[in-house]
Amino acid sequence: GQQLNQSPQSMFIQEGEDVSMNCTSSSIFNTWLWYKQDPGEGPVLLIALYKAGELTSNGRLTAQFGITRKDSFLNISASIPSDVGIYFCAGHPKRGQNFVFGPGTRLSVLP
Amino acid sequence: SAVISQKPSRDICQRGTSLTIQCQVDSQVTMMFWYRQQPGQSLTLIATANQGSEATYESGFVIDKFPISRPNLTFSTLTVSNMSPEDSSIYLCSVELGSNQPQHFGDGTRLSIL
Repeated sequence: GQQLNQSPQSMFIQEGEDVSMNCTSSSIFNTWLWYKQDPGEGPVLLIALYKAGELTSNGRLTAQFGITRKDSFLNISASIPSDVGIYFCAGHPKRGQNFVFGPGTRLSVLP
Repeated sequence: SAVISQKPSRDICQRGTSLTIQCQVDSQVTMMFWYRQQPGQSLTLIATANQGSEATYESGFVIDKFPISRPNLTFSTLTVSNMSPEDSSIYLCSVELGSNQPQHFGDGTRLSIL
């Protein structure tokens, strides 16, 4: 079935730095979602993208739906300690199919 | 979004026993799902819980091992049967508030089998 790849797998950054991570697929997706999972909790939706080229912000977070419909990126500006967690992308191949989740990017923020 | 409550939040079980996990939503939803998240891994869909009919299982998951109930539009249960250490995972319930809308997750049930 369809698979998503996320890079980097993990990253360590200094507090205040900007972060960029991305999600790619070999096939087209109709919807892209970005979730964050904190330890001991379920994933929380950060941003949802529905159209190719769409650029959406949520506070310090910005995500874009790639124009090829095979990728998406998430940027975090001016990172803070509470940004620590695992960021999952999820894609919806087409109407009627279930969401597919990427393997996640583990973010650590050093003070 | 919706408030999704899972019980228990964690449990430690003996090999060979079964555990039923409950998922309660504060509003009626059409679609409810059950996922497994093995340690350090991503989310894998177990099944879609269908109200009034049998659940739809993904490849690699069977009803005998993971029976699911969905008696109404706000509640579902997942049973992990005849547990072995390989079943040690986080089990997550999620809901879709509308067709092809993003899924929202409960906080999960952390299951350890001795």
